[in-house]
Amino acid sequence: GESVGLHLPTLSVQEGDNSIINCAYSNSASDYFIWYKQESGKGPQFIIDIRSNMDKRQGQRVTVLLNKTVKHLSLQIAATQPGDSAVYFCAEIYTGGFKTIFGAGTRLFVKA
Amino acid sequence: GAGVSQSPSNKVTEKGKDVELRCDPISGHTALYWYRQSLGQGLEFLIYFQGNSAPDKSGLPSDRFSAERTGGSVSTLTIQRTQQEDSAVYLCASSFTGVSEQYFGPGTRLTVT
Repeated sequence: GESVGLHLPTLSVQEGDNSIINCAYSNSASDYFIWYKQESGKGPQFIIDIRSNMDKRQGQRVTVLLNKTVKHLSLQIAATQPGDSAVYFCAEIYTGGFKTIFGAGTRLFVKA
Repeated sequence: GAGVSQSPSNKVTEKGKDVELRCDPISGHTALYWYRQSLGQGLEFLIYFQGNSAPDKSGLPSDRFSAERTGGSVSTLTIQRTQQEDSAVYLCASSFTGVSEQYFGPGTRLTVT
């Protein structure tokens, strides 16, 4: 089934440390993955994406890793800042079906 | 350019009343999604529109929920005979295609008293 309505796991990190947020996706046919960031009172915002023909993609301070063997996705944030405090969602898409499935989300707290 | 807009931003209604929530997607985006988000929880998929195709309604929780998208642009989510468990933030998103990143609106916070 789809990952919905679960209480959010929480990750607390010290400012300046690296953060790793993990996600297990559900559909082995999914071939496109996106990480979103949601700040309080706002809608989710795109951070970075990766297609299934890749296992790593880097952006500015963020890296996404994809392990299709175990259906696992991770988001690494380098030198975490207070502004990174938010809820992070992974999303999986099967491009043959167009439906997006969101993970349950992880709340990141950054301690100054 | 303008992002996804939603109205109203907040809606308080009495149990049993009907409500309509509006979404204006980004111009040119063919795909439009509605999600529901309860306090502190994840996104629950409700419905998906793609171009002129029949919408994917598989996420609608009951027949009290319906949505339409007129002219391939503006969408309205209607909840009939609202219940207290309908209280949540309703998020709309659009994307250029069905397989690209989604741009979210700020949401409508619905409170059913």
